[in-house]
Amino acid sequence: DAGITQSPRHKVTETGTPVTLRCHQTENHRYMYWYRQDPGHGLRLIHYSYGVKDTDKGEVSDGYSVSRSKTEDFLLTLESATSSQTSVYFCAISEKQGASVTEAFFGQGTRLTVV
Amino acid sequence: GDSVTQMEGPVTLSEEAFLTINCTYTATGYPSLFWYVQYPGEGLQLLLKATKADDKGSNKGFEATYRKETTSFHLEKGSVQVSDSAVYFCALNANQGGKLIFGQGTELSVKP
Repeated sequence: DAGITQSPRHKVTETGTPVTLRCHQTENHRYMYWYRQDPGHGLRLIHYSYGVKDTDKGEVSDGYSVSRSKTEDFLLTLESATSSQTSVYFCAISEKQGASVTEAFFGQGTRLTVV
Repeated sequence: GDSVTQMEGPVTLSEEAFLTINCTYTATGYPSLFWYVQYPGEGLQLLLKATKADDKGSNKGFEATYRKETTSFHLEKGSVQVSDSAVYFCALNANQGGKLIFGQGTELSVKP
């Protein structure tokens, strides 16, 4: 199994509070991603990173920010949590392979509930 | 933009039945195609992949063939088991920074 650790695994927080989720990898992969999983929507990309300090927005980035100060860590922050951000969050990693990118490997997920 | 469409679930089958889960895609260029599986309470695992037209990905008795002419990547298994009960996701990678675009997932339930 790819070395990807997400923390925390479960969190309940109140509306309006900031929340930070952490993804840590031991594979030294270049690319890291944050997805959210909601019923009927599959997985949707929030933000991704293609290197240290290099990040970009995905399709559902509003209300989220990210940071990557080290290769191994990718942080997702909800600036002010809302009930619509209740979801399961997955981190994924992949690596460049020639002109393309390898398949993604996923963490175990973080279940976030905003009350 | 790029997109993936899967057949809706849930799909309920009896053990040893034949499985097909349809997946079609829209993409510019030549994407790589994937099937991921998610068992209850777990993250996604790669099941199989195909990187070019006419490639067949296979793993654990599952197969899918990359059909460029029909823009499809249907998942098949000849004889399902109870342990195959899971949610299956079709995805494509258009090589834009490795971003995966997922279908909505298909829940499979196999009854003994």
